[in-house]
Amino acid sequence: AQKVTQAQTEISVVEKEDVTLDCVYETRDTTYYLFWYKQPPSGELVFLIRRNSFDEQNEISGRYSWNFQKSTSSFNFTITASQVVDSAVYFCALSDLLVVGRDDKIIFGKGTRLHILP
Amino acid sequence: DSGVTQTPKHLITATGQRVTLRCSPRSGDLSVYWYQQSLDQGLQFLIHYYNGEERAKGNILERFSAQQFPDLHSELNLSSLELGDSALYFCASSPDPRGGGETQYFGPGTRLLVL
Repeated sequence: AQKVTQAQTEISVVEKEDVTLDCVYETRDTTYYLFWYKQPPSGELVFLIRRNSFDEQNEISGRYSWNFQKSTSSFNFTITASQVVDSAVYFCALSDLLVVGRDDKIIFGKGTRLHILP
Repeated sequence: DSGVTQTPKHLITATGQRVTLRCSPRSGDLSVYWYQQSLDQGLQFLIHYYNGEERAKGNILERFSAQQFPDLHSELNLSSLELGDSALYFCASSPDPRGGGETQYFGPGTRLLVL
């Protein structure tokens, strides 16, 4: 069965600190996608990144970076030099579909609430 | 603004009733996804349509159904509503036909309250 675990329910850090949000997943598939989404206090959902299981290269986008390690089934998200605007709930998700036509499902973790304190 | 619109923004109804939530995807996006976010269940994937065809079902109840029309807008129908159906319902669109499209653009959500 597929599963996504975000063990950190809530994290608080002081502005400008770096923070890493953990995501551990379980799947029997060899091909899959991993995602991160952000939900700020205003409530909308924002797609941050999609990574396929063939690509283990780390990705950096501005202050955001993602570390994908198949060996530990983890897809961790780091915010460098955090800002108050980064305060949000962050969700990690897993999808087992890479081939059009197969059933696809997206499994979410329970989210990590991140507080950036000024 | 993601370009995805959802109506209505808020909906209050009673148990046993039926409601329809509407989603208009971004121009050109053929995939529409529906998600439910509740306090009890968290964020759940409900269903995915691509160009009018159902691609996959997630944790969607039998009392719920969805459709994608030729103009690509989608409707989520919720019937025999129960208190536990109170949630925020999001739709998202993507140009990608695969599950969890390359980039998904989310609408603002419809907040449903069942009394």
